[in-house]
Amino acid sequence: QTVVTQEPSFSVSPGGTVTLTCGLSSGSVSTSYYPSWYQQTPGQAPRTLIYITNTRSSGVPDRFSGSILGNKAALTITGAQADDESDYYCVLYMGSGISVFGGGTKLTVL
Amino acid sequence: EVQLLESGGGLVQPGGSLRLSCAASGFTFRNYAMSWVRQAPGKGLEWVSAISVSGGSTYYADSVKGRFTISRDNSKNTLFLQVNSLRAEDTALYYCAKLGDGNSFEAWGQGTLVTVSS
Repeated sequence: QTVVTQEPSFSVSPGGTVTLTCGLSSGSVSTSYYPSWYQQTPGQAPRTLIYITNTRSSGVPDRFSGSILGNKAALTITGAQADDESDYYCVLYMGSGISVFGGGTKLTVL
Repeated sequence: EVQLLESGGGLVQPGGSLRLSCAASGFTFRNYAMSWVRQAPGKGLEWVSAISVSGGSTYYADSVKGRFTISRDNSKNTLFLQVNSLRAEDTALYYCAKLGDGNSFEAWGQGTLVTVSS
């Protein structure tokens, strides 16, 4: 069974830069998995940040960027702000209509 | 503006059934694949099911295969999820999502809560 891995938690200082990653329990993540990233604050529906590896969704500030780093997909937040404190989820598309979410990363800004 | 409005959730006993609906507006529904994603209380997001634009192709997570059925009515701009043989572990907030480029979840509803308990 495919497991998509994310750091359970991460911390960043206000104004700092943080990179969250999204890997596979077996194998490497490539652009062929069309990685996407979502932000969710408590009590709210998810918000789409990045799709197809590095394309920002409409209205998403350019301090959010996506990439492939080594064998993982990555979400980098540059100049972190207090309201970036959220849960972040990556999704990999496995083909044949199947998507798999990572377990999510709880980002703390302090 | 894209709007997705889920309904049909509620409290149901183990083994019971529900039919979830998602009313779509603000885009040409028949041109987009759609999906359901759920989130158990205090847990992460889990992909549940997806359906092609025509409804001719459907896809399911292993955890719900054989129990859940996704469908759509393009004439009524509505997505459905029939959930049968419900288990306690199916308790979750069920989100409807519009699929976009790269099969990404382009837009989300606010969710409908399904609680399975005796």
